[in-house]
Amino acid sequence: NAGVMQNPRHLVRRRGQEARLRCSPMKGHSHVYWYRQLPEEGLKFMVYLQKENIIDESGMPKERFSAEFPKEGPSILRIQQVVRGDSAAYFCASSPVAPLDEQYFGPGTRLTVT
Amino acid sequence: GDSVTQMEGPVTLSEEACLTINCTYTATGYPSLFWYVQYPGEGLQLLLKATKADDKGSNKGFEATYRKETTSFHLEKGSVQVSDSAVYFCALSALTSGTYKYIFGTGTRLKVLA
Repeated sequence: NAGVMQNPRHLVRRRGQEARLRCSPMKGHSHVYWYRQLPEEGLKFMVYLQKENIIDESGMPKERFSAEFPKEGPSILRIQQVVRGDSAAYFCASSPVAPLDEQYFGPGTRLTVT
Repeated sequence: GDSVTQMEGPVTLSEEACLTINCTYTATGYPSLFWYVQYPGEGLQLLLKATKADDKGSNKGFEATYRKETTSFHLEKGSVQVSDSAVYFCALSALTSGTYKYIFGTGTRLKVLA
């Protein structure tokens, strides 16, 4: 059973460009979570999605950031008009049931904005 | 609201020393508690968990006991190895007011010297 997959692993964008981060959950997992980790800081929750639904986006910045988890295909975290402060590691996690048990993490996408 | 507080790092120990990383939590419901470990350049992976009071989670020589009376879940290991060098995150999951919450502490970096 393949683990959570994220791509790309490293992404470089110039200020003002768009960044698209992809996450394929583990097989059979219908719950996906996105987290941001700034250098030398902890993990900050961004958004929790189920197939075709956003369940909790309380950690998502109100502007420029959006997330989706379509019926088919990976979950996408989209950052429009990136700024230097968006540089961080973005982790995706998945779980088979509601988030009361273990979350399985992907290796992360390291976004660098130049 | 629900929260997790863990001791700040970095923690630097010599090989074979004893380790304790403190973690306390605040939760209105009955949370499950977790310790995750993050090795350099990787995503988080579950180290151990406990789902109810007085449960002890254990894995790879690490242990933590769910103490409801002190709202704590301290991570311990009797003899650390260089390979234990990583960042350790305490986390809780709970159903609060009909919403699932999964909250991570800020992480504690452990460095073990040979």
